[in-house]
Amino acid sequence: DTAVSQTPKYLVTQMGNDKSIKCEQNLGHDTMYWYKQDSKKFLKIMFSYNNKELIINETVPNRFSPKSPDKAHLNLHINSLELGDSAVYFCASSPRFGLAGFRDEQFFGPGTRLTVL
Amino acid sequence: SQQGEEDPQALSIQEGENATMNCSYKTSINNLQWYRQNSGRGLVHLILIRSNEREKHSGRLRVTLDTSKKSSSLLITASRAADTASYFCATDKSGGSNYKLTFGKGTLLTVNP
Repeated sequence: DTAVSQTPKYLVTQMGNDKSIKCEQNLGHDTMYWYKQDSKKFLKIMFSYNNKELIINETVPNRFSPKSPDKAHLNLHINSLELGDSAVYFCASSPRFGLAGFRDEQFFGPGTRLTVL
Repeated sequence: SQQGEEDPQALSIQEGENATMNCSYKTSINNLQWYRQNSGRGLVHLILIRSNEREKHSGRLRVTLDTSKKSSSLLITASRAADTASYFCATDKSGGSNYKLTFGKGTLLTVNP
C-alpha cells in the first residue's frame, strides 16, 4: 500500500490556468507538508498543516491555496499559473508535531511534475 | 540564506568504495536528518541524529554530527550501484515553535558498477 500518494504525477498546463494537486496519506500522521523542488533540486517547504490547521506558510504567493479536508488529505490549488511555478511538488507527512527537541522523520510522496507552458 | 549545504555537489565512485558526503548548517538545531532521492522519485528518510548525539549507524550508513562546527557527514560503506541517488541533509532548527525541516541542495552520488 502506498503510504503517501499524490495525483497527478505529471501536469502540463498553460500559463494563467488554475490547477490542483491532491495528496493523501494512510499512515495516520497528524502533520502534512507541501514542498517545491526546483530545477536545481533545491527543496523548499511551502506549507505545513497539523490536524487540518495551517501552521507554516513560507511566504508563498496567495495564488497557492492549500486545503485540508481531514488530516489524511492536503490538497494544493494553484490559481493563475505562471512559468516560474514549473517544478516538482512533493507532499509529505510526519507522525508528531511540536514535541520540543524531538521531531520526526518525514514520509514523502512520489512528486507531481508541473510544467507551465 | 540556506540552512544546509552539502558538499561535494557531485561524487562519482566505483562499486565497493566508500562514499562520504558532508553537510554544514548555520543555526542551532534539534536534529539533523539525511534523505535519499532516486531520480524521478520522492525523498526517503535514511537516518536521524539528534543534537546531543555524535555518531549513529544504520546498516552501511554512518552519520556523525559536530555541533561545534555545525557540520555532519554521511558515510556509505561498500557502495553499490543501487546507492546511486541524490542525498540531502535536512535540519530542524531549535527554538522554533513549528516543526520545519530545511533542506540542503544535495549531493549527487554516482556509483559505477
